[in-house]
Amino acid sequence: EAGVAQSPRYKIIEKRQSVAFWCNPISGHATLYWYQQILGQGPKLLIQFQNNGVVDDSQLPKDRFSAERLKGVDSTLKIQPAKLEDSAVYLCASTQGGGQDTEAFFGQGTRLTVV
Amino acid sequence: QKEVEQDPGPLSVPEGAIVSLNCTYSNSAFQYFMWYRQYSRKGPELLMYTYSSGNKEDGRFTAQVDKSSKYISLFIRDSQPSDSATYLCAMDTGRRALTFGSGTRLQVQP
Repeated sequence: EAGVAQSPRYKIIEKRQSVAFWCNPISGHATLYWYQQILGQGPKLLIQFQNNGVVDDSQLPKDRFSAERLKGVDSTLKIQPAKLEDSAVYLCASTQGGGQDTEAFFGQGTRLTVV
Repeated sequence: QKEVEQDPGPLSVPEGAIVSLNCTYSNSAFQYFMWYRQYSRKGPELLMYTYSSGNKEDGRFTAQVDKSSKYISLFIRDSQPSDSATYLCAMDTGRRALTFGSGTRLQVQP
């Protein structure tokens, strides 16, 4: 079974530039998450999708961050314009759905450095 | 106050030692408790999952939950150098979205 795929693995941009990250979840997984992990901290949920609908985006800084999941499969997360404090690893995760004890599988993340 | 508190370490132990990792939480709505392991430059991977107070054992790993004290623990027996990683506790109210602790970095010395 292929895992959660993310690209790019690394990205360096200047502040005020824009950047986009891509995630392909495990096939058949209905729920997709984007987490932000700042160095030395645990992942923080940014947005949760169920199929192609948003379930929770309460912690997404909507003035600069946007995300979409077209056709309920792949997802993109965009930052525009980027700030220095956006430097972090952006993790995508997916779950199959159904029961509460379904495991969340994480991708390797995209490491963003804003200079 | 953070919803989930976890000692960041680092924690350094000799091979074969018993390791104890802990988290406390403040949100009584948390019902599901997990431990994830994260190797450097990798995504977190699930180690243990539990939803009730008490102990759950899986090989060398034991997860303990005390809801009355809002305290969870992970014990690793016979620790190995390959256990060297960051351990993250995670909790869920049932919305199926996780709130993580800050992670404890563990180093097992051969």
